[in-house]
Amino acid sequence: DTGVSQNPRHKITKRGQNVTFRCDPISEHNRLYWYRQTLGQGPEFLTYFQNEAQLEKSRLLSDRFSAERPKGSFSTLEIQRTEQGDSAMYLCASSALRSGGAPYNEQFFGPGTRLTVL
Amino acid sequence: GESVGLHLPTLSVQEGDNSIINCAYSNSASDYFIWYKQESGKGPQFIIDIRSNMDKRQGQRVTVLLNKTVKHLSLQIAATQPGDSAVYFCAESSTGKLIFGQGTTLQVKP
Repeated sequence: DTGVSQNPRHKITKRGQNVTFRCDPISEHNRLYWYRQTLGQGPEFLTYFQNEAQLEKSRLLSDRFSAERPKGSFSTLEIQRTEQGDSAMYLCASSALRSGGAPYNEQFFGPGTRLTVL
Repeated sequence: GESVGLHLPTLSVQEGDNSIINCAYSNSASDYFIWYKQESGKGPQFIIDIRSNMDKRQGQRVTVLLNKTVKHLSLQIAATQPGDSAVYFCAESSTGKLIFGQGTTLQVKP
């Protein structure tokens, strides 16, 4: 399977616990995005990386959230001291930034990690 | 702030008919638009995209129309099939990150 993969697919945790999600983008896609989606809503942008550099963070990304992409390949999203309001689907997407081409292109999404905070 | 909205939360069509899903966007600086299909429990699936230097783009059974004058985007699906039943999102971008609308649920009646 050469698509975007995310692990775990489901995570149930108790309020106050830390959780970490992993995203593996499509091979050689240099841009990686994190979004959050709640029931009945469209995805909301959280942050994105170009290679290993985190270029933009949404104001939705409180200081309890941190994302990394240390080698420019896979990425992790950690939520510390989870709250019930963090319950959502966390989506990862990747895209290819082509040299000399358009500055941004279609993003391909993974299946998401569904987080439930009890 | 920036937002992308859809006109109808639900669209019900007969199998074999054509479907038109509409979207209005508010950021005149947006230069890239994209449609996604999302089935229950899955991530959004890319359908088709269009840049602001175009007003129409066709794919397999799908057409996207862009009217920059009134900031309107539409997705046309020809000969709608039961497998097309899903939630459809439009999204816009001016910096790379996508801003999504609320979504339209397409129901296909056999």
